[in-house]
Amino acid sequence: DTGVSQDPRHKITKRGQNVTFRCDPISEHNRLYWYRQTLGQGPEFLTYFQNEAQLEKSRLLSDRFSAERPKGSFSTLEIQRTEQGDSAMYLCASSSGQGRKEKLFFGSGTQLSVL
Amino acid sequence: KNEVEQSPQNLTAQEGEFITINCSYSVGISALHWLQQHPGGGIVSLFMLSSGKKKHGRLIATINIQEKHSSLHITASHPRDSAVYICAVTPEETSGSRLTFGEGTQLTVNP
Repeated sequence: DTGVSQDPRHKITKRGQNVTFRCDPISEHNRLYWYRQTLGQGPEFLTYFQNEAQLEKSRLLSDRFSAERPKGSFSTLEIQRTEQGDSAMYLCASSSGQGRKEKLFFGSGTQLSVL
Repeated sequence: KNEVEQSPQNLTAQEGEFITINCSYSVGISALHWLQQHPGGGIVSLFMLSSGKKKHGRLIATINIQEKHSSLHITASHPRDSAVYICAVTPEETSGSRLTFGEGTQLTVNP
């Protein structure tokens, strides 16, 4: 399967713990996006990379959140000192375009539950 | 008020019916996307359009840029079409292809 891969699919953690998610985009895609989705809502933008450069971060991305894409391939999203409000589906998407009109390919997401 | 509004929020249809989902947006856009999300989270891109109309199988998407409105039509609906359909836009003043999403329309097609 050469689609966007996310790991793990599900994560249950206790409040205050740190968690890290991984996203492997489609191999030739230079752009990578992280979104967060809560139940019954549409996804919300978190951050975006072009190759290894993090070009934009949402106000939603507090200091407890950090994302990296060290070699312009896979990306990690870390949440420190998790809170119950962090419970959500974390979605990764990738694309190969240079402009603003491009198709995005989504992973299946990581469902985070903070107890 | 959200930048992207969808209606209806929930839609139940009988197999074979013609279905329309509407999307209105309030910002200038570079493109509008229709996406499908099945239980478990996976999102699939159905259409990306910036003008006119696109068709793929039983799905048709239209956009009216002047009215800031788009519709997704499903002809001869089938139970396997049951999913959440999400409208999303790429605002003109944004980096890359960052999307702003509507809240989605839950479609249930009964046999």
